[in-house]
Amino acid sequence: TQLLEQSPQFLSIQEGENLTVYCNSSSVFSSLQWYRQEPGESPVLLVTVVTGGEVKKLKRLTFQFGDARKDSSLHITAAQPGDTGLYLCAGAGGSQGNLIFGKGTKLSVKP
Amino acid sequence: DAGITQSPRHKVTETGTPVTLRCHQTENHRYMYWYRQDPGHGLRLIHYSYGVKDTDKGEVSDGYSVSRSKTEDFLLTLESATSSQTSVYFCATETNQGGTEAFFGQGTRLTVV
Repeated sequence: TQLLEQSPQFLSIQEGENLTVYCNSSSVFSSLQWYRQEPGESPVLLVTVVTGGEVKKLKRLTFQFGDARKDSSLHITAAQPGDTGLYLCAGAGGSQGNLIFGKGTKLSVKP
Repeated sequence: DAGITQSPRHKVTETGTPVTLRCHQTENHRYMYWYRQDPGHGLRLIHYSYGVKDTDKGEVSDGYSVSRSKTEDFLLTLESATSSQTSVYFCATETNQGGTEAFFGQGTRLTVV
């Protein structure tokens, strides 16, 4: 069974701090996606990384795909309250052809 | 935004009753999925469809069945609802299987009492 482990599970920080969220697996994925889910809402795609070692930036968010395509990280610089939400990583190439989701990191950014 | 709508958005039902949740898409996406989201478990796949009348089981399919008679509609049925099926259910679609953006419906909050 392919699993994606996310850490930390919960993160509470002050506005302006930096943070990194990790997504790890023992399996290789053809690509990996990051979603953000705000409370009471559905997940929305932030980015897809495809190539091992790939780095993508989305304003204050930096995403990296591991060289072996087994892990990924999300770094947020100068976090803002609007970054609050559940961050989910999802790997493509599940045994049923679907996306495999991690359990998520619940981020709370306090003003 | 992808046109994916779920109905109902909220439902309270009694143990032992059948319940059907509907997912409707206007994007002509081939792949459709039903997930449930529970605290501490993330999103878990219940069933998915790769075309009209083509469906398969996911990770947590026991107690659930699905049907897809048209490209745009994917139905999830709880044959006899149990309290353990209290959850938030999300429908999602993809143009291709895995590796492309998954578009989610707004979710259905189901409570089984």
